[in-house]
Amino acid sequence: AAGVIQSPRHLIKEKRETATLKCYPIPRHDTVYWYQQGPGQDPQFLISFYEKMQSDKGSIPDRFSAQQFSDYHSELNMSSLELGDSALYFCASSLGRTRTREQFFGPGTRLTVL
Amino acid sequence: TQLLEQSPQFLSIQEGENLTVYCNSSSVFSSLQWYRQEPGEGPVLLVTVVTGGEVKKLKRLTFQFGDARKDSSLHITAAQTGDTGLYLCAGARSGGSNYKLTFGKGTLLTVNP
Repeated sequence: AAGVIQSPRHLIKEKRETATLKCYPIPRHDTVYWYQQGPGQDPQFLISFYEKMQSDKGSIPDRFSAQQFSDYHSELNMSSLELGDSALYFCASSLGRTRTREQFFGPGTRLTVL
Repeated sequence: TQLLEQSPQFLSIQEGENLTVYCNSSSVFSSLQWYRQEPGEGPVLLVTVVTGGEVKKLKRLTFQFGDARKDSSLHITAAQTGDTGLYLCAGARSGGSNYKLTFGKGTLLTVNP
């Protein structure tokens, strides 16, 4: 079965640079979530989109922005990168606003800021 | 303050033993999901529980959702070395557009041969 695809899998950037992470949800899934997971930490919710509209916002820095496109893929744009932004970034997708709220996670993008 | 308290944080057992991981909260969840995560990989969904008192079985894994939908447990029978990994519980809150998952800190399970 098709899973969530994230690219790139690994990304190395310098401080103050920008980065763009991409997420391709499971086919027919219309909701995308972004999470950040620091070393030894649990995933922290950043932002979500349903039918291309922002549906929820968590602890996402103002330096970050995201959007969902007409084909339902999503991009997380990160600017003025800081050392503390180094983390695993996960995208998850789900099918609509279902009662179960089941979210399926991608393999993640490991961002390293030097 | 962690919304979901997961215990124990670390667990090291011998192959063949049984174990239980707990996930507790003072908040009500519309659903609760259990994931397993390998280092550097994304969490893999094991099960979703929705109804208070619900019990789901996945081979040697038994998941239970508390009657009040505030807590859950994962019981593994006759653990195998392949069960080693990080187990995360995650709750989805009731109502509104709040569909984000709130995760527990996780239980790092090591099953020794």
